[in-house]
Amino acid sequence: KAGVTQTPRYLIKTRGQQVTLSCSPISGHRSVSWYQQTPGQGLQFLFEYFSETQRNKGNFPGRFSGRQFSNSRSEMNVSTLELGDSALYLCASSPEGLTVTYEQYFGPGTRLTVT
Amino acid sequence: AQTVTQSQPEMSVQEAETVTLSCTYDTSENNYYLFWYKQPPSRQMILVIRQEAYKQQNATENRFSVNFQKAAKSFSLKISDSQLGDTAMYFCAFMSYSGTYKYIFGTGTRLKVLA
Repeated sequence: KAGVTQTPRYLIKTRGQQVTLSCSPISGHRSVSWYQQTPGQGLQFLFEYFSETQRNKGNFPGRFSGRQFSNSRSEMNVSTLELGDSALYLCASSPEGLTVTYEQYFGPGTRLTVT
Repeated sequence: AQTVTQSQPEMSVQEAETVTLSCTYDTSENNYYLFWYKQPPSRQMILVIRQEAYKQQNATENRFSVNFQKAAKSFSLKISDSQLGDTAMYFCAFMSYSGTYKYIFGTGTRLKVLA
């Protein structure tokens, strides 16, 4: 099976712009989670989608949003970008949702730089 | 609130030697899972090992084993016969599934295996 894929791999945006990141989970996986990874904060959970519904949400401002499509692909959107949003954004999928199998399979990430 | 602490930002070990990475966590819950994930340089994060809190026996996966001390809330990773390919960031993660879902990562330990 193909692994989790994320596009684009690299992005450079300007403060105030918005950005959309995409994640395609492993075939058959219905749960997709998003994380923000920064050197100082480690990985911080953004949100999880399962069967097109946001099931769990971390402590991020409303500028961060997401959605999931019927084929389980997920997008994450960040509006009004700030310098502090520069990070590696990781997507992870799991077969039946984290409440069942607990293991996550990660994508390579999208490196977002905000200037 | 649950927290995960990795007190060793960086470590190094000689090839073929044994190294132990420490992780402590704080929770009031009784049912949870603990994980160690590995993130090699410029590569995707992968699961190394998983421990169910209700199991007293320490998990083992080939050269990787854990020392799970539930009362002390400690979950250390031991890597035996270290190999150059073990060079990576290692993240300790906590997941609880009772009530609200939580998946929390530590800030990571950068391990370098020296030839």
